[in-house]
This record gives sequence, C-alpha cells and structure tokens, in this order.
Amino acid sequence: DAGVIQSPRHEVTEMGQEVTLRCKPISGHNSLFWYRQTMMRGLELLIYFNNNVPIDDSGMPEDRFSAKMPNASFSTLKIQPSEPRDSAVYFCASTLEGEKLFFGSGTQLSVL
Amino acid sequence: GESVGLHLPTLSVQEGDNSIINCAYSNSASDYFIWYKQESGKGPQFIIDIRSNMDKRQGQRVTVLLNKTVKHLSLQIAATQPGDSAVYFCAENRQAGTALIFGKGTTLSVSS
Repeated sequence: DAGVIQSPRHEVTEMGQEVTLRCKPISGHNSLFWYRQTMMRGLELLIYFNNNVPIDDSGMPEDRFSAKMPNASFSTLKIQPSEPRDSAVYFCASTLEGEKLFFGSGTQLSVL
Repeated sequence: GESVGLHLPTLSVQEGDNSIINCAYSNSASDYFIWYKQESGKGPQFIIDIRSNMDKRQGQRVTVLLNKTVKHLSLQIAATQPGDSAVYFCAENRQAGTALIFGKGTTLSVSS
C-alpha cells in the first residue's frame, strides 16, 4: 500500500497568492482529515470528511480556507488569499475504522 | 485550552535506558487513546493504542499505561535506541466517529 499521498511536499508562495494542497487517502478508507502543525499550536484539526461529506470544519481558521473531497480518492485544501501566518506543515490523514489515523508526509507551506 | 497535554516538553536518555513519556487528559469521557511518533520531516506514525476498558497494553518494546482515576497516560519504551529519537504525541478520541485531539508533543533525545 502506498499510504496517504500528499502533494506538493514543499510550497513557497507570496502573500496573496492562492495555494492548493492535495491528498490521496489510502484506498478503502472512508474518513479523511486535514491537520495543521506549527511549533506554537502543535497539531490542529482543520476539517474532516466521512464518506466524502464534511463532518466538522470548526477548525478551519477563516473563510480564506476551504476544503473539498469530490470523490473517495482525492481531497484538496485551498487557501485564498494566503498570508504569512498560514505558514505551517499541513497533514492529511485517513482511516477506515474511525480512530487510528494514517498520516501522509505533509506539505511544508511557506508564505512570504 | 488544550485538554490533552504532556508533562515534559523534552526527555533526554542514554541508549539502553527505559524511557517514560507522560500525558494528561481532561475529558473523562474519552474512550480511546493513541501514541504517535514523528521523526523530522515526516508525518506522525502510529505506535500503540488503548481503549478505556484497559489499563495496560504492550507492543514490541513499547507499553502504554492508562490511569483513568487521574486521567493519565504514559508510553514506556524499553531499551531505548538512537532510532527512537523523535517527537511523541498522545491523542484522544472524545467521541466515536470524531477526530483525534493531539497533545503538543514530547521530544525524546537518545544519546549513545
């Protein structure tokens, strides 16, 4: 199994630009999670989907953030417009039984 | 505030020693707990988990202990090796079907 696949691994962009992060969950998993990791705040849940439906998006910082899951094998997290304070590592994770999460390698985002 | 937290931000041990990483949680209704290991530049990796109906669970060189009376969770690593150097996170699931809530992590440094 290839595991959870995220792209890109690194993203450097300028403030105000649109950023799109991508995730392919493990085949057969029915829940997908987006987390953000910073030194100050640790791992924060942004949003999660169950069977492609958003269940809890209360962790999404503001309207600049949006996430979609058009099918069971793909999800995107979009930031528009991006700001320097969005700089962080963004992780995608998936699970089948709803508890033990399998994480991708993350996207390191730097907004200048 | 953060309800799943760690007592010590860093732990330094000698190779071959046993390591103990602690975690406190505040929600007595949480019924599932999990430990992750995160190496530099990688996503969190599952180590071991435990349900609230158990107080101890063993894996290969690792043991998780759960004390529900004082809402305390610990991870014990036997014969710690340099490859165990990483950040360790505890996480809880407060309700079935919801997302894991992570603590901020403890850095384990193993010197040989």
